[in-house]
Amino acid sequence: KNEVEQSPQNLTAQEGEFITINCSYSVGISALHWLQQHPGGGIVSLFMLSSGKKKHGRLIATINIQEKHSSLHITASHPRDSAVYICAVSDSGGGADGLTFGKGTHLIIQP
Amino acid sequence: DARVTQTPRHKVTEMGQEVTMRCQPILGHNTVFWYRQTMMQGLELLAYFRNRAPLDDSGMPKDRFSAEMPDATLATLKIQPSEPRDSAVYFCASGRGVGELFFGEGSRLTVL
Repeated sequence: KNEVEQSPQNLTAQEGEFITINCSYSVGISALHWLQQHPGGGIVSLFMLSSGKKKHGRLIATINIQEKHSSLHITASHPRDSAVYICAVSDSGGGADGLTFGKGTHLIIQP
Repeated sequence: DARVTQTPRHKVTEMGQEVTMRCQPILGHNTVFWYRQTMMQGLELLAYFRNRAPLDDSGMPKDRFSAEMPDATLATLKIQPSEPRDSAVYFCASGRGVGELFFGEGSRLTVL
């Protein structure tokens, strides 16, 4: 079973700062997901990636398969980015099979 | 606007009662997951289905939990009898093959 570690667990930053959240896993994967969960809210899929880099607005996700590591970056952070960010990996042959989740990074962006 | 729909959103019940949670996956999605989220454990996979067939329910306590997909538009998760330690948020998610996952809003269960 894959072990998924995220860091930091908690992060408080000022509006406008560049944010980096890290995720490492122990066993080779077929895909890695970054998810966002607002307090008391549902879960939204931000990215699914298996190599390289993806960008969506102010969010950038990168993955290094050899090092078993991924990062999620937020540029020009805003208070509405405050949420829990969860890394999840898929071990088997496809992005939608039985995900293993990290514990999440609780991000607070202060105005 | 396609989305995964879960009911009920909130449920408070007494220990020993039966609880049924329902999920309507996005039309055309062939994979459905049930996850549980607690403060202590985070998100855990309980069960998942592909083309309505159960593929993995090893994360589910078999003595009290059951998951079914009676048709392509409905997945159910049943707990009987419920216990206080079952209190959690239960998420349903659906996907298509190797694609992205879409999560429902969750069902928050409190067992007194």
